[in-house]
Amino acid sequence: NAGVTQTPKFQVLKTGQSMTLQCAQDMNHEYMSWYRQDPGMGLRLIHYSVGAGITDQGEVPNGYNVSRSTTEDFPLRLLSAAPSQTSVYFCASRKEGTEAFFGQGTRLTVV
Amino acid sequence: LAKTTQPISMDSYEGQEVNITCSHNNIATNDYITWYQQFPSQGPRFIIQGYKTKVTNEVASLFIPADRKSSTLSLPRVSLSDTAVYYCLVGDRRNTGFQKLVFGTGTRLLVSP
Repeated sequence: NAGVTQTPKFQVLKTGQSMTLQCAQDMNHEYMSWYRQDPGMGLRLIHYSVGAGITDQGEVPNGYNVSRSTTEDFPLRLLSAAPSQTSVYFCASRKEGTEAFFGQGTRLTVV
Repeated sequence: LAKTTQPISMDSYEGQEVNITCSHNNIATNDYITWYQQFPSQGPRFIIQGYKTKVTNEVASLFIPADRKSSTLSLPRVSLSDTAVYYCLVGDRRNTGFQKLVFGTGTRLLVSP
């Protein structure tokens, strides 16, 4: 049981490039979400999903897209990377009424 | 959405008991209080959750007074490995999304030898 797996762990992008951060969970959780964490700050919710085919925006959705074609996977797409998107990104999943499980994070630097 | 207030940072020494208090004055009837712990370069992990009175597990205790407007996370006999950021969250555990799973900035606990 791997839990929540994020890839890659580290990534450097040039301004304007696009990329997809991968998140997969093997716990059959309905709910998945993406957070970003800037240095010394708390986590801010980007997008979340309550099931396959259903996604919604969180606090800071601009510049990011998500889709949920399967229960297991919830990729986060950066459409045109900007230096302001330099951050650590965490994916989380949970079942209704239970605590959230987080991945180890993806450290993204946009130059 | 119940807003929470916690101290920004706390210092302690190994072997001491640490109590971190969280204020949540407008907590709703269906809201639970949940604490997460985050080590550097890792994602947060669940520590404890409670609704009222006292909850204890192998890691911590959670004290909730009768009016539920605050809660206290108690870490007995801390060690260096308890150095982390601790987040207090308040929300309806039945909610269908993550909109109410708001982490804030948490309390940064530093344990020294």
